[in-house]
Amino acid sequence: EVQLVESGGGLVQPGGSLRLSCAASGFTFSNYAMNWVRQAPGKGLEWVSAISGSGGSTYYADSVKGRFTVSRDSSKNTLYLQMSSLRAEDTAVYYCAKDGVGIYSKDGFDPWGQGTLVTVSS
Amino acid sequence: QSVLTQPPSVSAAPGQKVTISCSGSSSNIGNNYVSWYQQLPGTAPKLLIYDNNKRPSGIPDRFSGSKSGTSATLGITGLQTGDEADYYCGTWDSSVTAGVFGGGTKLTVL
Repeated sequence: EVQLVESGGGLVQPGGSLRLSCAASGFTFSNYAMNWVRQAPGKGLEWVSAISGSGGSTYYADSVKGRFTVSRDSSKNTLYLQMSSLRAEDTAVYYCAKDGVGIYSKDGFDPWGQGTLVTVSS
Repeated sequence: QSVLTQPPSVSAAPGQKVTISCSGSSSNIGNNYVSWYQQLPGTAPKLLIYDNNKRPSGIPDRFSGSKSGTSATLGITGLQTGDEADYYCGTWDSSVTAGVFGGGTKLTVL
């Protein structure tokens, strides 16, 4: 069974940093692109970042570019999102989601993890 | 303001049919694959439709997707109370090299 489990969320002060992890199992991790998507409380989905299976290509939403860094470790089957210079508007549930072989391929995002809550507040 | 435009809400009676539209542009829907996601209250999103009109295994054929030009549509027939959820369309935007989602549509089954 394909499974994604996020961790690392929590309360952080404005300007602080946090690293999210997404542990993957049930598929050949290095063969698939991965994405981070967030959802602010009571709001819709917002795509955050994507990374290719090799890790050689990365993409970011304008709202996080220069502050967030996506990476992956195929030896650990784990996806990461390093977040810095955090702002109140970064408060959201962060989901990781498995993509297809290519970034934003025809296959859609399936499955999604259960999400981890990041709260940026003093 | 989302790049993809969806109606904020739709409603219909049990057993009826509903459609949810998703409007974009040539840089996103017009030249990329569209997916649809269902988010039940308090849960993570789930893939309903991929590659514009294909259903993953386990998704009933009551759910259908279509795309024409720069718009996409999700159709749901035989509505059930368990279909009450938020529905999102998503695709890639080639002009900004970024993923984009619609603002979401809340389905109420009256």
